[in-house]
Amino acid sequence: ETGVTQTPRHLVMGMTNKKSLKCEQHLGHNAMYWYKQSAKKPLELMFVYNFKEQTENNSVPSRFSPECPNSSHLFLHLHTLQPEDSALYLCASSHGLAGGRSSYNEQFFGPGTRLTVL
Amino acid sequence: EDQVTQSPEALRLQEGESSSLNCSYTVSGLRGLFWYRQDPGKGPEFLFTLYSAGEEKEKERLKATLTKKESFLHITAPKPEDSATYLCAVQGTTGNQFYFGTGTSLTVIP
Repeated sequence: ETGVTQTPRHLVMGMTNKKSLKCEQHLGHNAMYWYKQSAKKPLELMFVYNFKEQTENNSVPSRFSPECPNSSHLFLHLHTLQPEDSALYLCASSHGLAGGRSSYNEQFFGPGTRLTVL
Repeated sequence: EDQVTQSPEALRLQEGESSSLNCSYTVSGLRGLFWYRQDPGKGPEFLFTLYSAGEEKEKERLKATLTKKESFLHITAPKPEDSATYLCAVQGTTGNQFYFGTGTSLTVIP
């Protein structure tokens, strides 16, 4: 148990559906992240939030919409997805985003949501 | 372009047979290099952070080392429970980007 929970653990949706992924961290961290993990590919960083403010958006299609209402919760709203969006979506948190030699950037991951788009 | 390459892609070891996993990286200024372990159906589990060349860290049968171009994860006398995918990631000094490798899938046979 890493202190980062994600729901649902599995999700099957059609291309016209709207759904949301939820992440909650109980570690007192200030930074939260969404990653996409596809088979045989490296983890792809999608979004970064620090103190509820989005600091990174790595050219993610607008059909993925993040929301961070506070430092403990992170959502990923999904709409009109494509089959190639099927993947494991991972949430992570860290103390913060710091320069230099600091454990602030060490990320702790949730178990992920396995998303299948039909 | 910042990137991370891990080798080998897969490794099978007999229990007790020591070996090393490699992580080669190119980044415009290294803020940190991270090692994670990922079991099937789970998220990555944090293992180590290394910050500068020459640094080493140990945890049980694992030892991570860092040079200016690569990191090694040495596994001494592995046990079947060490079977997992080991991921390497780097964070550069520009922005808040983290770059992951594709991982090494380790299988330790009893």
